[in-house]
Amino acid sequence: AAGVIQSPRHLIKEKRETATLKCYPIPRHDTVYWYQQGPGQDPQFLISFYEKMQSDKGSIPDRFSAQQFSDYHSELNMSSLELGDSALYFCASSLKPSGAYEQYFGPGTRLTVT
Amino acid sequence: ELKVEQNPLFLSMQEGKNYTIYCNYSTTSDRLYWYRQDPGKSLESLFVLLSNGAVKQEGRLMASLDTKARLSTLHITAAVHDLSATYFCAVDPSRDNYGQNFVFGPGTRLSVLP
Repeated sequence: AAGVIQSPRHLIKEKRETATLKCYPIPRHDTVYWYQQGPGQDPQFLISFYEKMQSDKGSIPDRFSAQQFSDYHSELNMSSLELGDSALYFCASSLKPSGAYEQYFGPGTRLTVT
Repeated sequence: ELKVEQNPLFLSMQEGKNYTIYCNYSTTSDRLYWYRQDPGKSLESLFVLLSNGAVKQEGRLMASLDTKARLSTLHITAAVHDLSATYFCAVDPSRDNYGQNFVFGPGTRLSVLP
């Protein structure tokens, strides 16, 4: 079965640079979530989209923005990168309403800011 | 604000032993999820618990949900080394039919020793 696809899988950037992470949800899933997981931490919700509209917002810095496109893929844009942005970034997708509201996680993008 | 706690945070156990991981949450929710994460990897869905009294079992793992007590348990039976990983519970705080971003517990890092 198709899973959530994220690209790139690894990314190294310098401070103050920008980065763009991409997420391709499971086919027919209409909702995308972005999470940030620091070393030894639990995943923290950043932002979500339902049917291409922002549906919820968590602890996403103002330096970050995201959108969901007509084909349902999503991009997380990160500017003025800081050392503290180094983390695993997960995208998850779900189908609403599906009853289980289960979120399926992608493999993650490991961002390292030097 | 929903808070999710797990106990214990670290667990070292011998192969063949049984143990239980506890997940408490602070506000009413009927949806709780258990995930497994290996180091540097994605989150793998283990169980979806959607109602009070729900019990699910898969292999050596069994999860239950008591929504009145706001408590979920993940019971490990006759542990084997392959179960070594970090286990997260996640709660969906929404009360409608559309689901929201998950709030994760801090995770329980399990090491099963031979």
